[in-house]
Amino acid sequence: AQTVTQSQPEMSVQEAETVTLSCTYDTSESDYYLFWYKQPPSRQMILVIRQEAYKQQNATENRFSVNFQKAAKSFSLKISDSQLGDAAMYFCAYRSKFSGTYKYIFGTGTRLKVLA
Amino acid sequence: DAGITQSPRHKVTETGTPVTLRCHQTENHRYMYWYRQDPGHGLRLIHYSYGVKDTDKGEVSDGYSVSRSKTEDFLLTLESATSSQTSVYFCAITPGSLDSYGYTFGSGTRLTVV
Repeated sequence: AQTVTQSQPEMSVQEAETVTLSCTYDTSESDYYLFWYKQPPSRQMILVIRQEAYKQQNATENRFSVNFQKAAKSFSLKISDSQLGDAAMYFCAYRSKFSGTYKYIFGTGTRLKVLA
Repeated sequence: DAGITQSPRHKVTETGTPVTLRCHQTENHRYMYWYRQDPGHGLRLIHYSYGVKDTDKGEVSDGYSVSRSKTEDFLLTLESATSSQTSVYFCAITPGSLDSYGYTFGSGTRLTVV
């Protein structure tokens, strides 16, 4: 069975600085998807970025980028030029590509605080 | 997201009472999911549905049942609520494809069992 681990329950970053949130996963599959979701205090789950396992290039969305290391089973999220609005809970998630159920496995989350 | 709504948004109920949470979608997506979110556990799958009347259990299904009589509605029922079921419940939908679609989530229901 697949697992997703987020080892940092809480992180802090100074406004305008860069922060990296870590995520590791375990799987025996070769093709899958990885996601980062943001959950602000409003409780809404917002998709930040997604990565397809067989694509070597790291995904990027504006100030958000990932460092995907397939062999190491690592999928970290880098937030550049941090803003107050980035303060939220961040969840890493895994989805098998061929399971047929499209179930996601989530990590336990990292709470990011942004300091003014 | 406008294509999925959960009701109620908040609910307080007493131990031993039945509770039903509703998820309604207008996207005509085949797959629907119920997750619960608890501190230190992230989101854990309770039940999911892959079509009308087609449902299956997730990792934390004990004490919960679901029904899907129409494509657009997925109901989660706590037959006899317990304090351990105090949580935030999320519904999610996806069309079901090999593409990398992320889930679309509802806004969640905060359930408190006293």
